[in-house]
Amino acid sequence: AQTVTQSQPEMSVQEAETVTLSCTYDTSESDYYLFWYKQPPSRQMILVIRQEAYKQQNATENRFSVNFQKAAKSFSLKISDSQLGDAAMYFCAYRTFYTGANSKLTFGKGITLSVRP
Amino acid sequence: DGGITQSPKYLFRKEGQNVTLSCEQNLNHDAMYWYRQDPGQGLRLIYYSQIVNDFQKGDIAEGYSVSREKKESFPLTVTSAQKNPTAFYLCASTRTGGNYGYTFGSGTRLTVV
Repeated sequence: AQTVTQSQPEMSVQEAETVTLSCTYDTSESDYYLFWYKQPPSRQMILVIRQEAYKQQNATENRFSVNFQKAAKSFSLKISDSQLGDAAMYFCAYRTFYTGANSKLTFGKGITLSVRP
Repeated sequence: DGGITQSPKYLFRKEGQNVTLSCEQNLNHDAMYWYRQDPGQGLRLIYYSQIVNDFQKGDIAEGYSVSREKKESFPLTVTSAQKNPTAFYLCASTRTGGNYGYTFGSGTRLTVV
């Protein structure tokens, strides 16, 4: 079974600075998908960014980018020019490439990010 | 607009009662999921369904039951057998396969009184 580990329960960043949230995962599969989700105080889960394991290029979405290291099974999220609205809990998630009964997301325990004004 | 609707937003249950949480989607998604969120525990999978009239247990299914009679609906019943039901419950849906993430509902906060 796949596992996702977010070892830092909390992080803090100064507004306008850059912060990197870490995530590692364990899998025996060669093809899969990885995601970062944001959960603000409203508790609505929002998809931030996704990465296909077969793509070497790191995904980017505006101020959000990932550092995907397949051999190291590492998938970190970098937030540039941090804003107060970035304060939230962030979850890393893994999804198998294959369809069928195991096509579900496995989540890490999350990281709480605070942004200092 | 398409989306997932969870109701109610807040729910209070007395000891020994069964309660049902509603989850409805109009995204034409095949797969639907129920997660439980507790502080420091992340999201833990309760049940999921990939087609109508079929569902599978997740990691923490004990004390819960579901049904999937319609593609759009995936209600979760928290039974009296669930020893610690106070938590935040999230419903999600997705297309099967591909790099699709989930679309989530806004959640239901269940409290035992």
